Amino acid sequence: GDSVTQMEGPVTLSEEAFLTINCTYTATGYPSLFWYVQYPGEGLQLLLKATKADDKGSNKGFEATYRKETTSFHLEKGSVQVSDSAVYFCALRFYNTDKLIFGTGTRLQVFP
Amino acid sequence: EAQVTQNPRYLITVTGKKLTVTCSQNMNHEYMSWYRQDPGLGLRQIYYSMNVEVTDKGDVPEGYKVSRKEKRNFPLILESPSPNQTSLYFCASSLGTGGFGYTFGSGTRLTVV
Repeated sequence: GDSVTQMEGPVTLSEEAFLTINCTYTATGYPSLFWYVQYPGEGLQLLLKATKADDKGSNKGFEATYRKETTSFHLEKGSVQVSDSAVYFCALRFYNTDKLIFGTGTRLQVFP
Repeated sequence: EAQVTQNPRYLITVTGKKLTVTCSQNMNHEYMSWYRQDPGLGLRQIYYSMNVEVTDKGDVPEGYKVSRKEKRNFPLILESPSPNQTSLYFCASSLGTGGFGYTFGSGTRLTVV
């Protein structure tokens, strides 16, 4: 079935380090891909998205490119801040269904 | 402010005592959905609704009910809660499918003892 696989966390980085959180998906069609972020005690917020192959989503210094050939949507940021500490969820959604299919989440911890 | 509002934020209840978690959105979204979040399992869809009076089961619907009598409201009902329904619940709404993202509420942490 359709699914999303994320790298296990926690990912622990020092401030200003480069971030990559891997996300791969299995899908029978052509989904849209999303990254959501969950700060402690809060709901999920849409961070960025891409709706077709080779699209790059970007927001707040984060980027991810929809790679159809490798079925991946890895999240990157050039220089993380302490305030980026959160749980990051990769997700996919099809045009003919309401469901958003999530990965299990990756916790990012950034230390000064 | 565009938002999804859930109530209550925290709830402790006893096994078998019926409860309702309310959800309301002010964005005129067609689609609404309930998810539960459990450690190591990510978020799983419980029920969803594509419009007023149109609801369908998600991946983990057992033990839950929903209704969509008005476009803005989508309450989650637990008729007879059990301890395995202890979880963090999120309501979400979306303008459409596909490339439209979901807007999530702040969550309801439910503990059933």
